[in-house]
Amino acid sequence: GIQVEQSPPDLILQEGANSTLRCNFSDSVNNLQWFHQNPWGQLINLFYIPSGTKQNGRLSATTVATERYSLLYISSSQTTDSGVYFCAVEENTGNQFYFGTGTSLTVIP
Amino acid sequence: EAGVVQSPRYKIIEKKQPVAFWCNPISGHNTLYWYLQNLGQGPELLIRYENEEAVDDSQLPKDRFSAERLKGVDSTLKIQPAELGDSAVYLCASSSDPWAEQFFGPGTRLTVL
Repeated sequence: GIQVEQSPPDLILQEGANSTLRCNFSDSVNNLQWFHQNPWGQLINLFYIPSGTKQNGRLSATTVATERYSLLYISSSQTTDSGVYFCAVEENTGNQFYFGTGTSLTVIP
Repeated sequence: EAGVVQSPRYKIIEKKQPVAFWCNPISGHNTLYWYLQNLGQGPELLIRYENEEAVDDSQLPKDRFSAERLKGVDSTLKIQPAELGDSAVYLCASSSDPWAEQFFGPGTRLTVL
């Protein structure tokens, strides 16, 4: 199966700081999604982004499918941004969906 | 609009006992997924349904796990008998189309003693 690596594994930010999370994948994919899992375990879909750039408020994401990576940008971080961020990819056969290793973000006031 | 509903939220059982999890997807979503999430890891896909058809269950341990989605709406995931290593969070998700934007339920946290 496809290997999905995320970096950094852990990140601590001061409230108001900006950050960039990276997702690398080992093979061509049909689509890529970013999720946020809050401290209570709820997974929220942030972006459906097989290619290009999208923005939603303080968050934006860019996927360069030809180079097999995606970036998630968080600007002016808030304590509510804390949690684990996952990227997930659909393999080309359309039969599997792989989550990455995750980035655990802690935003301190 | 209601989100994905799962029950129970928590379940504690002794090993070798059976257990079942229930999921009600977002209305109109034809695709339903069951995932397993171990502590500190990302979710792993167990099975995907398109309406009532299981289109990919290659990751489902079929000796003890089974799933069904009667009438293409609600779904049930069953483990019989449960083993200690089955302790995890079981997540259900749904989407309007295969692999489109997925919406997750709150999960069922299973503890096998």
